[in-house]
Amino acid sequence: GESVGLHLPTLSVQEGDNSIINCAYSNSASDYFIWYKQESGKGPQFIIDIRSNMDKRQGQRVTVLLNKTVKHLSLQIAATQPGDSAVYFCAESRSNDYKLSFGAGTTVTVRA
Amino acid sequence: NAGVTQTPKFQVLKTGQSMTLQCAQDMNHNSMYWYRQDPGMGLRLIYYSASEGTTDKGEVPNGYNVSRLNKREFSLRLESAAPSQTSVYFCASGSRTGTYGYTFGSGTRLTVV
Repeated sequence: GESVGLHLPTLSVQEGDNSIINCAYSNSASDYFIWYKQESGKGPQFIIDIRSNMDKRQGQRVTVLLNKTVKHLSLQIAATQPGDSAVYFCAESRSNDYKLSFGAGTTVTVRA
Repeated sequence: NAGVTQTPKFQVLKTGQSMTLQCAQDMNHNSMYWYRQDPGMGLRLIYYSASEGTTDKGEVPNGYNVSRLNKREFSLRLESAAPSQTSVYFCASGSRTGTYGYTFGSGTRLTVV
């Protein structure tokens, strides 16, 4: 079936360490993937995206990795900061479809 | 500031009442979307409008109607609210050019009693 899911619902990280958030998807037709960050009481905020013709993409302190063979993507956050505490969602879409499907989210808590 | 504006931010309805959630974007995006978010779940698509003049059902359309009033505005209507519609509603807009990443509003927290 079509679904996007995250491996773990919660992740606790020591401030300064690197965070890795994982996501599995089942639709092999998906060709566009996005990571969103949602802080309490706010709407989701775009972090980074990646297309299926890429394996890796880097942004500011974030890196997204895509493994199409096992239908898995991950978000790596370098030197995690207290402001990184939030819920992180992966989402997927297809180029012939206007819809964006979301996973359930991973809550990241940064320990001081 | 450019973005997606939703009104109201909070609303309490009695079962059976009706209301319309308003959404407006000023980024000249063609596509607009309504999602709902329930505790422990991701965002589920209710309805979307790929372009002005078109609307389509998403994953959970039952109990809702939408209107794409113009390119900027996309409203969501609950004709007869039910407790199962208690949720946080997010409007989003996007463009197929460049990134597909959508811009979300800050949400409407709706409680149906």
